[in-house]
Amino acid sequence: GNSVTQMEGPVTLSEEAFLTINCTYTATGYPSLFWYVQYPGEGLQLLLKATKADDKGSNKGFEATYRKETTSFHLEKGSVQVSDSAVYFCALADNNNDMRFGAGTRLTVKP
Amino acid sequence: SQTIHQWPATLVQPVGSPLSLECTVEGTSNPNLYWYRQAAGRGLQLLFYSVGIGQISSEVPQNLSASRPQDRQFILSSKKLLLSDSGFYLCAWSGGNNSPLHFGNGTRLTVT
Repeated sequence: GNSVTQMEGPVTLSEEAFLTINCTYTATGYPSLFWYVQYPGEGLQLLLKATKADDKGSNKGFEATYRKETTSFHLEKGSVQVSDSAVYFCALADNNNDMRFGAGTRLTVKP
Repeated sequence: SQTIHQWPATLVQPVGSPLSLECTVEGTSNPNLYWYRQAAGRGLQLLFYSVGIGQISSEVPQNLSASRPQDRQFILSSKKLLLSDSGFYLCAWSGGNNSPLHFGNGTRLTVT
């Protein structure tokens, strides 16, 4: 079955550092891939998405590229801010309404 | 535009009491609907999903149940809460295959 594996946290960075959160997936067919962000006490918000191989999703300075050859969708940001502190979830959705989430990675950015 | 409403935002209930959490979606028709639970510091656990009125799929056997009495209404229930039912409950909808989920703001349930 489908599954998503993302790097375990927590991740602690200083402001303006480079961020990478690794995500790999296992799926049959051609799923769509997503990154969600969850701020404390809130629901999940869709951060970015990619629907086919080599697509790059981007939003708020975050980027992720759909790599079919490595089955990966790593999240990157060139310069993180304190306000980026949150939990980040990688997810996939396939043609059968099957939505799978990674375990989440907690990011803390210190000033 | 589509919106999702989930209530209440917080709830404290004694062990053995019933539960009813409600979720409604506006601005779309025939959405897929989902209930997730998130334990403290943990990932998301899919509890139920529904692709249409009266159609409920259960992912995890437990003392919770779900119902979809109307197209855009999804209810999570329990007849008798357990301490282990404490957590953050999230409702979500999607437009169908390969579509992203859109989440409500969640309900924090504490069973005492």
